Amino acid sequence: DSGVTQTPKHLITATGQRVTLRCSPRSGDLSVYWYQQSLDQGLQFLIQYYNGEERAKGNILERFSAQQFPDLHSELNLSSLELGDSALYFCASSVRGATNSPLHFGNGTRLTVT
Amino acid sequence: AQTVTQSQPEMSVQEAETVTLSCTYDTSESDYYLFWYKQPPSRQMILVIRQEAYKQQNATENRFSVNFQKAAKSFSLKISDSQLGDAAMYFCPGTGANSKLTFGKGITLSVRP
Repeated sequence: DSGVTQTPKHLITATGQRVTLRCSPRSGDLSVYWYQQSLDQGLQFLIQYYNGEERAKGNILERFSAQQFPDLHSELNLSSLELGDSALYFCASSVRGATNSPLHFGNGTRLTVT
Repeated sequence: AQTVTQSQPEMSVQEAETVTLSCTYDTSESDYYLFWYKQPPSRQMILVIRQEAYKQQNATENRFSVNFQKAAKSFSLKISDSQLGDAAMYFCPGTGANSKLTFGKGITLSVRP
């Protein structure tokens, strides 16, 4: 058990809808990362937060947004969903968000858009 | 590391034998770390081992060890005494700024009983 909690485990929704994925980092970790894993794109970095502030942004679509709250949990909001958004979404956390802090991953949320 | 390449999409090993998974990377960073993560069929991402770029000594973690060749930008994972539970997809991401991991396409390892 990595200590990172993601909810829900599975999500099935229709195109055009909006969903929220939730992540609670390991106790003591200040940095949260979101990754998307789809069959044809591999693991893609979406966005990173550190202690409530956005630290880095990757291949995140404008339809997606995220935030990290004062209690350090994070939410990833996906709107105007398309079939291609179907993927496994991982949250990971690290202590400091520095280059020597390994990332610990949650079990992921599997999103299916129909 | 900013880019990683795993040129072998699939590998197979006999149980109890040794297998080496290859990875090359490219980076402009002077301070970086390299990792091997394992993703079994459960899809969980599990940290296997990590290597600090400034250390010449290769990291070892039980049956897992790395061969880090900094000049060649090569970072391979050796699994000794392979077990059925080692069957998984393996990724060798590296860090750049902010500890953001950059992943390659991964290697699927199968273990034959």
